[in-house]
Amino acid sequence: AQSVTQLDSHVSVSEGTPVLLRCNYSSSYSPSLFWYVQHPNKGLQLLLKYTSAATLVKGINGFEAEFKKSETSFHLTKPSAHMSDAAEYFCVVSGPSGTYKYIFGTGTRLKVLA
Amino acid sequence: KAGVTQTPRYLIKTRGQQVTLSCSPISGHRSVSWYQQTPGQGLQFLFEYFSETQRNKGNFPGRFSGRQFSNSRSEMNVSTLELGDSALYLCASSPGQPVETQYFGPGTRLLVL
Repeated sequence: AQSVTQLDSHVSVSEGTPVLLRCNYSSSYSPSLFWYVQHPNKGLQLLLKYTSAATLVKGINGFEAEFKKSETSFHLTKPSAHMSDAAEYFCVVSGPSGTYKYIFGTGTRLKVLA
Repeated sequence: KAGVTQTPRYLIKTRGQQVTLSCSPISGHRSVSWYQQTPGQGLQFLFEYFSETQRNKGNFPGRFSGRQFSNSRSEMNVSTLELGDSALYLCASSPGQPVETQYFGPGTRLLVL
């Protein structure tokens, strides 16, 4: 079965320091992986998507993620945090072929300290 | 292009009532998916519609149902509401092929008293 595990429920960083949000996945096939961000009282916004092309994926707002098959990981990084990055981040794996559904991780709440 | 819209944005109901939520997808998108978000269970898949047909459903009781119209707009209905149905209900649309990006609406926040 497909699943994702977000290893940290909360992460705090200081403004201007690097961000690392960790995600491990489990899949019986070559997965598609996504990172979404949710600001308070808002819907989900796509940050980036991996679909078996380049293993280093660049997204919006300076975020990027690296797909590492040997480690079954898809960690999200950003070189320098901004106050506006404070939000909840979700790692997502696509469901089995033909199911057309997403399987969400439990989320990581990012706090950015001034 | 306009994004995914959901109406209403907020809703308060009492136990035993029923509710209908509406979702309008991005123009040209034929697939609409519904998700429930709660603090305890996180984001869970409810069902997905494509060209007026339900293609997949999650593990929710039969009180949760949906439909899709010929213009791809979708509605979700919950009958006999329970306190535990209080949640943010998110709708997402995509063109309809496997592993395509889903674009989410702002959600409908339902409170059941």
